[in-house]
Amino acid sequence: DGGITQSPKYLFRKEGQNVTLSCEQNLNHDAMYWYRQDPGQGLRLIYYSQIVNDFQKGDIAEGYSVSREKKESFPLTVTSAQKNPTAFYLCASSEPSGKYNEQFFGPGTRLTVL
Amino acid sequence: DAKTTQPPSMDCAEGRAANLPCNHSTISGNEYVYWYRQIHSQGPQYIIHGLKNNETNEMASLIITEDRKSSTLILPHATLRDTAVYYCIVRVANNQGGKLIFGQGTELSVKP
Repeated sequence: DGGITQSPKYLFRKEGQNVTLSCEQNLNHDAMYWYRQDPGQGLRLIYYSQIVNDFQKGDIAEGYSVSREKKESFPLTVTSAQKNPTAFYLCASSEPSGKYNEQFFGPGTRLTVL
Repeated sequence: DAKTTQPPSMDCAEGRAANLPCNHSTISGNEYVYWYRQIHSQGPQYIIHGLKNNETNEMASLIITEDRKSSTLILPHATLRDTAVYYCIVRVANNQGGKLIFGQGTELSVKP
């Protein structure tokens, strides 16, 4: 089955530690995205990548880093510089050459920093 | 991308039609209306999109007013599994970066 996987579903870390969230897709999509969601809020874009080895900052990139070495993978690192990292993190992918650019989302990773 | 306004919450009886409104009075001529929904603690799911004509698929119907300043998502026979937050998003198709700007959406509660 084609889709997007994120692991783990729940993640706990101590304050001051960096943590990397995994996102893998087998949809052969060029574009991938990372969003953050806080309780009762909509999603906010952290980083996006339209093609391998290229990525751009979204609206709230401070304290985060990404890499895009492979088409199917777009890991997100939450660094110790991120002041409030506890949140629900969602990865998505899309085919930007497609006319309507529908995004497909993974199940999310809920990060709790203790 | 234009901004959208949605009611924060709505109730609907199971089996009845759920009509979710969205205002987008500043929409531009090349912007589409997209609808996504998010069931609690899951990733958002695409439902439908449209430009100016009404659209229907297996999940829902989308009615866009003639002036395109508002739209309504219709779930014809709501079930308990349709309980979710519904997001109306306006954006240019295939825009650079492709980001979706999510507002707070409408929390739909389908009741037995």
